[in-house]
Amino acid sequence: AQRVTQPEKLLSVFKGAPVELKCNYSYSGSPELFWYVQYSRQRLQLLLRHISRESIKGFTADLNKGETSFHLKKPFAQEEDSAMYYCALGGGAQKLVFGQGTRLTINP
Amino acid sequence: EPEVTQTPSHQVTQMGQEVILRCVPISNHLYFYWYRQILGQKVEFLVSFYNNEISEKSEIFDDQFSVERPDGSNFTLKIRSTKLEDSAMYFCASLGVAYNSPLHFGNGTRLTVT
Repeated sequence: AQRVTQPEKLLSVFKGAPVELKCNYSYSGSPELFWYVQYSRQRLQLLLRHISRESIKGFTADLNKGETSFHLKKPFAQEEDSAMYYCALGGGAQKLVFGQGTRLTINP
Repeated sequence: EPEVTQTPSHQVTQMGQEVILRCVPISNHLYFYWYRQILGQKVEFLVSFYNNEISEKSEIFDDQFSVERPDGSNFTLKIRSTKLEDSAMYFCASLGVAYNSPLHFGNGTRLTVT
């Protein structure tokens, strides 16, 4: 069965500090992994996906198949990064399976 | 940039009533989805729709739920007889056919069943 685990419901860091939001997945096939972000009162937006291997707003995420992880990282947090972050598994025309989400708060 | 739009933004209904949540997907998209998020819980897949039929549905999507694309632009989710536990945010999403096209979500409809 497909499952996504985000162990931290809440994460609070100071501005300028590094951020890591953890995501682990369970999937028997070849996974497609995504990070979605939801800023206050806005819609879910795709932040990045593992196949793109790109950095968006300073965030990166590397798929580690050995550890079945797809942690989201940013070296220097900014106040505007405060949001809900969801890791998701699936893609293409398939359904997405979401993790519980992590509420990231960046303190000034 | 084109967006998925959902109406209403907030719907309050009494238990046992029927509700219809409306979505206008992005115009050239072909795959449509409903997800829901109960307060404090994860976003959960309900149903996917392609070529005018349901392609996949979850255990949550029981006989009380139905989806329709009545006129080629709207995509609706109907809950026949609402229960208290149907209270949630309902998100519509659509997907284009271009390779690596991302899933686009609407702003959601907050359904409150009293």
